[in-house]
Amino acid sequence: AQTVTQSQPEMSVQEAETVTLSCTYDTSESDYYLFWYKQPPSRQMILVIRQEAYKQQNATENRFSVNFQKAAKSFSLKISDSQLGDAAMYFCAYVGNFNKFYFGSGTKLNVKP
Amino acid sequence: SQTIHQWPATLVQPVGSPLSLECTVEGTSNPNLYWYRQAAGRGLQLLFYSVGIGQISSEVPQNLSASRPQDRQFILSSKKLLLSDSGFYLCAWTRTGTASSYNSPLHFGNGTRLTVT
Repeated sequence: AQTVTQSQPEMSVQEAETVTLSCTYDTSESDYYLFWYKQPPSRQMILVIRQEAYKQQNATENRFSVNFQKAAKSFSLKISDSQLGDAAMYFCAYVGNFNKFYFGSGTKLNVKP
Repeated sequence: SQTIHQWPATLVQPVGSPLSLECTVEGTSNPNLYWYRQAAGRGLQLLFYSVGIGQISSEVPQNLSASRPQDRQFILSSKKLLLSDSGFYLCAWTRTGTASSYNSPLHFGNGTRLTVT
């Protein structure tokens, strides 16, 4: 099974500041996708952003962007202009050729007003 | 548009009792279906996934089982619950992808909070 590692159990950021959440993964596959999901206290899983491994350009969705380093197997999420509504658990996920999505252990993001 | 329904939302069951959680997807056909479990404050653990009717792959050997009796219905079951089965269970689906390229994200249900007492 593939492994996805999020080494930051919890992080804090001041409102309007920028924060980066880290994610690394282990795979021998060359073609795969990576995702970041947000889980607010409601526990609903919300897709934040996705990255295709064969695309060198980093994905961006409004205030959310990724830094994808394929050789290093790193996939970090940057949140700019943090808002109180960004407070949540964030999960990194990997899917490869066998349709199985693997998730990291999550990072709890606190946003301070 | 596609929607996913998962029920019940909460469930309290005694140890040794059976379990049945249901999940249905509307607005798509032949989806890939998944069951995940999330322990308190932890990540998502893949339990089962299915690429078609009657096709179930198990990721973690345990006293849980899954079935897919219809194209868009996925059921998680247990004959006898253990205390360790407590957690938050999430059903999810994706569009069927090709073997070499997969670009459909997971779409999740609202989850079931199971407490085994």
